[in-house]
Amino acid sequence: NAGVTQTPKFQVLKTGQSMTLQCAQDMNHEYMSWYRQDPGMGLRLIHYSVGAGITDQGEVPNGYNVSRSTTEDFPLRLLSAAPSQTSVYFCASLPQGGLGNEQFFGPGTRLTVL
Amino acid sequence: AQKITQTQPGMFVQEKEAVTLDCTYDTSDPSYGLFWYKQPSSGEMIFLIYQGSYDQQNATEGRYSLNFQKARKSANLVISASQLGDSAMYFCAMYSLSTSGTYKYIFGTGTRLKVLA
Repeated sequence: NAGVTQTPKFQVLKTGQSMTLQCAQDMNHEYMSWYRQDPGMGLRLIHYSVGAGITDQGEVPNGYNVSRSTTEDFPLRLLSAAPSQTSVYFCASLPQGGLGNEQFFGPGTRLTVL
Repeated sequence: AQKITQTQPGMFVQEKEAVTLDCTYDTSDPSYGLFWYKQPSSGEMIFLIYQGSYDQQNATEGRYSLNFQKARKSANLVISASQLGDSAMYFCAMYSLSTSGTYKYIFGTGTRLKVLA
């Protein structure tokens, strides 16, 4: 199993550009999430999905869109990039079920918006 | 509202000594789980240990143990016999399931641990 994969690993954008961060998992997990990590702020939830076709907002959703057409894929779209979106982005998946389930994280995408 | 608080931005510990990383939490959900993750300088997130809200005993995983005090709403991570490879950022996290079926997974701001030789 590849686990959770993210592409690209690094990206530089100019203000106003749009792009999609890709996330895929091959563990048949129902739950998937996107986080951003900023210095001194831990991981903050952007959007999450509890299954194909179902998404919801997290703590910091503004400026981002998601969709979940399949169980495996959960892309994150930046509509019009801003310098405030410079961050490290993590995708994670979680099997449905008991509270004892750890989240499985992708390797992260480091995004810089100029 | 759910919240995780880690009050130690940075900690130092001498190699082979034990260290405690603090974590307090707040939730009104009846069921929840508490987790610790390690993030080394390479950036990946590594799961360390889990404690369920109904578990009677403190969780242990090798050199890691979780000191769970439910009444105080604390879930401190204890690392015994620290090693140089333990130098990393450590995140406390909580997974809660509300009575309406909504799940939330939130993280603290992290504690950066440096192990000294």
